[in-house]
Amino acid sequence: EVQLVESGGGLIQPGGSLRLSCAASGFTVSNNYMSWVRQAPGKGLEWVSIIYSGGSTYYADSVKGRFTISRDNSKNMLYLQMNSLRAEDTAVYYCAKGGIQLWFPFEYWGQGTLVTVSS
Amino acid sequence: DIQMTQSPSSLSASVGDRVTISCRASQSIDRYLNWYQQKPGKAPKLLIYAASSLQSGVPSRFSGSGSGTDFTLTISSLQAEDFATYYCQQTYTTPCTFGQGTKLEIK
Repeated sequence: EVQLVESGGGLIQPGGSLRLSCAASGFTVSNNYMSWVRQAPGKGLEWVSIIYSGGSTYYADSVKGRFTISRDNSKNMLYLQMNSLRAEDTAVYYCAKGGIQLWFPFEYWGQGTLVTVSS
Repeated sequence: DIQMTQSPSSLSASVGDRVTISCRASQSIDRYLNWYQQKPGKAPKLLIYAASSLQSGVPSRFSGSGSGTDFTLTISSLQAEDFATYYCQQTYTTPCTFGQGTKLEIK
């Protein structure tokens, strides 16, 4: 059974850093395109970042240069390192499993972890 | 970046109604268009992928159509559990943009 479980969210001051983790089971993270998607309170879904099975990474303009997506193949984990956090980064962050090519949909999602950026 | 525009932003309907939600891409995305349903406090759920393929386990009252820039999600006969917010998403290229959402409410 495929499962994604996010952790690492919390309250952080503006300018701070946080690392989100996504523990995957039932499939191999490194064989799939994996994404982070966020949702600000009361707002819609915003795609944040993706890591290809080959290792290439891409980011939304809103987080480029501040966020880094990575994975640990030995632990079957996905990460999102978030630096220079801003109030507008406050959101529930979901990790999502794509497929073996970019066009595959996000078939599985975690339950989300809430990040609140506030002083 | 490819912009995804959904219409309407909100919709009131009754159980048993036929409902259509539209999604337009700012440039051609072939058929790489997905539809998700989200209920409050829950993660999105995949309904339709590749414009018209029904995800396993999703009721057949949901259907999708379109290609290029114009796409449609249809619910043939609304059930109580269908009241939720619906999002389209393109996975033709990065960034894998979402539409702004359509909130389906009970009339």
